[in-house]
Parts: sequence; C-alpha cells; structure tokens
Amino acid sequence: DIQMTQSPSTLSASVGDRVTITCRASQSISSWLAWYQQKPGKAPKLLIYKASSLESGVPSRFSGSGSGTEFTLTISSLQPDDFATYYCQQYSAWWTFGQGTKVEIK
Amino acid sequence: QVQLVESGGGVVQPGRSLRLSCAASGFTFSSYAMHWVRQAPGKGPEWVAVISYDGSGKYYADSVRGRFTISRDDSENTLYLQTNSLRAEDTAVYYCAKGLYGSGTYPFDYWGQGTLVTVSS
Repeated sequence: DIQMTQSPSTLSASVGDRVTITCRASQSISSWLAWYQQKPGKAPKLLIYKASSLESGVPSRFSGSGSGTEFTLTISSLQPDDFATYYCQQYSAWWTFGQGTKVEIK
Repeated sequence: QVQLVESGGGVVQPGRSLRLSCAASGFTFSSYAMHWVRQAPGKGPEWVAVISYDGSGKYYADSVRGRFTISRDDSENTLYLQTNSLRAEDTAVYYCAKGLYGSGTYPFDYWGQGTLVTVSS
C-alpha cells in the first residue's frame, strides 16, 4: 500500500500569509495526487487534482506542485475562509489519504 | 446541481449489520464510478470501496473486504453499502463520493454529507 505523509500536522498563520503544506508518498505516484479542504462537520472538498490542476470554482490563490514522491499545496494569500484541514490523496494505486494538516489562526 | 444524500447510519452492536444508501441526482449516475469513504472521529478519510460505472467491477479496502458489499441500482440512482460483522473500529462517518471521470482511477469531485455509523455494545 502507498502511504501518504503530510507536514506539518498543524500550521498557525495569519490572514494574508503565504502557506505551504507538504505531502510525501512512500513510492512514486507520478502526478496522481489530489488535495482536499475539509471544514468541521462537512465533507472534504476537491481543490486540486493531477498535482497541479485547479478544480472548477476553486480560487486561484490555491496552487499545487510536485511529482513522483514530493508534493506541495500553496495558498498564496490566506483568507478567513481558508482556515480548515487539508488532506492530500494519491490515486495511483487505489486511493490513500494523508493524515491531514490543520491550518489555524495565529 | 450534483447531490449525494446518504442514509442508513445509526448505532449497532458489534457483529451486527447495517445497509447504507446514497441517493444521487444532478448527473448521469450510470456513467460514473462511485465510492464509499469513511472517516473515524478525529482521523483522515479512508477509502472503503468502489463500484465501476456499469457495476462490473467492485473493489474493497483490505480492512473491509469480505464483510462489506458495494452495489448500485441505476434505475433508482442509488448506491448501497451492505456492512456485515461490524466491529468497533468501523465506527465512522460514511460518505458516498463520485469519481471525477466516468472510468479509471480518479479523485472524488462530489461528496455527500455523510451518515454516522457507531458500533458499540
């Protein structure tokens, strides 16, 4: 099974900050990586797929990069609506999620 | 607009069964692979099962294989998950989710609101 490891687990930031979250795969997954945002009591929301493709309707301040085993999600200027938990997901071999990164208010 | 509405969750004793349902609308249900994903309290999501757009392929996570069965009724636009021999570690919110494209291995672009399954004596 492919394991996904995110860092950090928690990130404290302020509105307007540039935020970067890292996701590492236990083996190469090419670009078969997605990012989701989840708010308390809600289902995850797809933000990015194929490592860097922005899902329709997602603000352009979100971007993704990477390939192989290392990936990043960047929020260029953190907005109040962005405080949430973010998950990466590989879909190279079945589907596996990372453990999550909680972005909280500093 | 795409809507996925789960039902059937509840409190159940270990070893018992539950049948979860997911009513779909707003897209051509019969053209898409559909998934069940669960999330235990305070944990990340865990993929549980997938059924191909035509129902010919069904695949399961190791943790549920042999105990859970995924199925679909395209005439009713409904996805099901039969959960048998439930264990405490199956306690989670269960979501149905739609594959981004019709076939193949893709992420999930729409999710339901979830239904809570609690396994406890």
